Amino acid sequence: QKEVEQDPGPLSVPEGAIVSLNCTYSNSAFQYFMWYRQYSRKGPELLMYTYSSGNKEDGRFTAQVDKSSKYISLFIRDSQPSDSATYLCAMSAGTDSWGKFQFGAGTQVVVTP
Amino acid sequence: DVKVTQSSRYLVKRTGEKVFLECVQDMDHENMFWYRQDPGLGLRLIYFSYDVKMKEKGDIPEGYSVSREKKERFSLILESASTNQTSMYLCASKTYRTSGSIHEQFFGPGTRLTVL
Repeated sequence: QKEVEQDPGPLSVPEGAIVSLNCTYSNSAFQYFMWYRQYSRKGPELLMYTYSSGNKEDGRFTAQVDKSSKYISLFIRDSQPSDSATYLCAMSAGTDSWGKFQFGAGTQVVVTP
Repeated sequence: DVKVTQSSRYLVKRTGEKVFLECVQDMDHENMFWYRQDPGLGLRLIYFSYDVKMKEKGDIPEGYSVSREKKERFSLILESASTNQTSMYLCASKTYRTSGSIHEQFFGPGTRLTVL
């Protein structure tokens, strides 16, 4: 079983809809939770990160972490065609782990005009 | 603007060839990583380095080696390329200084390697 599970999609939504993405994990030592966005033929770039449980909002993006359920989510409001990309969740146990992350498989999102 | 560059965007090699993938970062980062990315499997860590001449195996090191002679450069070596090493290879770097973005890995654009 993988440490981090993420549905690869693709997830197709109309412009303006809410995009809901999630990951589950099995390692209770994870404390830092990241979402990366990867456009076609590019490397991933950090979108948001959250420490421990709770919510974090940045513009149209909201990240949620539920450590009791080992479940994290990313919501994109008012989705735009420019949001079409692959979204990868990543997790880390903390600064004593040499910065190693465990990545999910990535979910491909397509926002249609 | 921070930057991680990789020597090639596309590479085609033959089975049995020795392959070198180069990665350079200009951010004075201590940690550097090599991943491969395959559909449905996400990013899998091959090797990482936390200092010059220091290296640690990741989750899938078999068939690969690495070299870090200078802080800014991290090389991935396929000693004898095989068809199952056809993949997208991504390099990343990261700092552990608290003044930096300690939870962010900066990625290069990737090298798509095809082994025939």
